[in-house]
Amino acid sequence: GAGVSQTPSNKVTEKGKYVELRCDPISGHTALYWYRQSLGQGPEFLIYFQGTGAADDSGLPNDRFFAVRPEGSVSTLKIQRTERGDSAVYLCASSLTPEGTPQFFGPGTRLTVL
Amino acid sequence: KQEVTQIPAALSVPEGENLVLNCSFTDSAIYNLQWFRQDPGKGLTSLLLIQSSQREQTSGRLNASLDKSSGRSTLYIAASQPGDSATYLCAVPNYGGSQGNLIFGKGTKLSVKP
Repeated sequence: GAGVSQTPSNKVTEKGKYVELRCDPISGHTALYWYRQSLGQGPEFLIYFQGTGAADDSGLPNDRFFAVRPEGSVSTLKIQRTERGDSAVYLCASSLTPEGTPQFFGPGTRLTVL
Repeated sequence: KQEVTQIPAALSVPEGENLVLNCSFTDSAIYNLQWFRQDPGKGLTSLLLIQSSQREQTSGRLNASLDKSSGRSTLYIAASQPGDSATYLCAVPNYGGSQGNLIFGKGTKLSVKP
């Protein structure tokens, strides 16, 4: 497809469970970003990849959150031992390069932790 | 630490009006500034990106200006239409960190009445 895609669009899980959220960036984009957005707030940065490596993971809230991008394309955000406070919309974005080019966002995954 | 503020938080105008949305940032040492649009329950759509060396960017009925020294950007929407109703967000890279780490305002929710 032409845009960034994310799956699933919605995920409902129970407290303490493990979840994986997937992001397919725009083809050819080397940079990939994960953000988290709570209701009424702007997106909050989590992590960004340049190629396969995490160039900046300063936004990950704690060690329950982890992300990978093993082949430099698709990325997976993994959350262990989910908590109710993890409920939010998780947004993925990609850009041609991390410097000076616009970020293009996917539709997001709405995570609800019961 | 960079902070981004958007005023007003919400705006309602009749169709056809020209309007201005405001964005301010505390650290003027930015690489660029990006404006986004977000429709309810959707991801973000990139509207305009202004590099630090530029004063403004235009796309159709949209014009974004940047004044780094005063820490301000404005998004001007000409001849507003009901289809412009959405939340508009501005974002700047975190200068102290990587360029990929965007810091967002909370957005301005625009409603254009027919």
